[in-house]
Amino acid sequence: AQKITQTQPGMFVQEKEAVTLDCTYDTSDPSYGLFWYKQPSSGEMIFLIYQGSYDQQNATEGRYSLNFQKARKSANLVISASQLGDSAMYFCAMRDQTSNTGKLIFGQGTTLQVKP
Amino acid sequence: EPEVTQTPSHQVTQMGQEVILRCVPISNHLYFYWYRQILGQKVEFLVSFYNNEISEKSEIFDDQFSVERPDGSNFTLKIRSTKLEDSAMYFCASSEVRENIQYFGAGTRLSVL
Repeated sequence: AQKITQTQPGMFVQEKEAVTLDCTYDTSDPSYGLFWYKQPSSGEMIFLIYQGSYDQQNATEGRYSLNFQKARKSANLVISASQLGDSAMYFCAMRDQTSNTGKLIFGQGTTLQVKP
Repeated sequence: EPEVTQTPSHQVTQMGQEVILRCVPISNHLYFYWYRQILGQKVEFLVSFYNNEISEKSEIFDDQFSVERPDGSNFTLKIRSTKLEDSAMYFCASSEVRENIQYFGAGTRLSVL
């Protein structure tokens, strides 16, 4: 069965420092997609970054990068130069490859608090 | 930048009442989804919609739930007779094709009293 695991319920980081949010996944399909979303306290779900299983390079989007380690089945999100506005819940998700419409399977989420 | 729009942002209803949650997906997208997030828990898939019909639904999506695309732009989720446990944030999402990124709306917070 496909599964996403986020083992850090909460994380703290000092403003301007980098932080890594962990995500491990389980799938037997060689082709898959991994996503990170940010959910601020206002509740909306904001897409951050995507990594395809066949992508040759780790994904980057501005201050967000993905540390993709296929052999370890991990897709950790790295946020560089943290800002106060980065305080939010972060969800890792995987496209369900058994789904004919590609529904997403989400992890439990990690709450990030950025300290001034 | 195109976005998924959901209304209302917050809906309060009495148990047993019907509610309709509305979504306007991104205009050139073909796949539509509803997800649910009970407070403090992870996001769960409810249903997906493609080519004007339900493509897939979860075990949560029972006979109390229905979805419609009444015109070319709106996508609605109806809960026929709400229960206390339906209280949650409901997200609509859309993607251009199955393999693409799913973009989410800001959600509707449903409170059933």
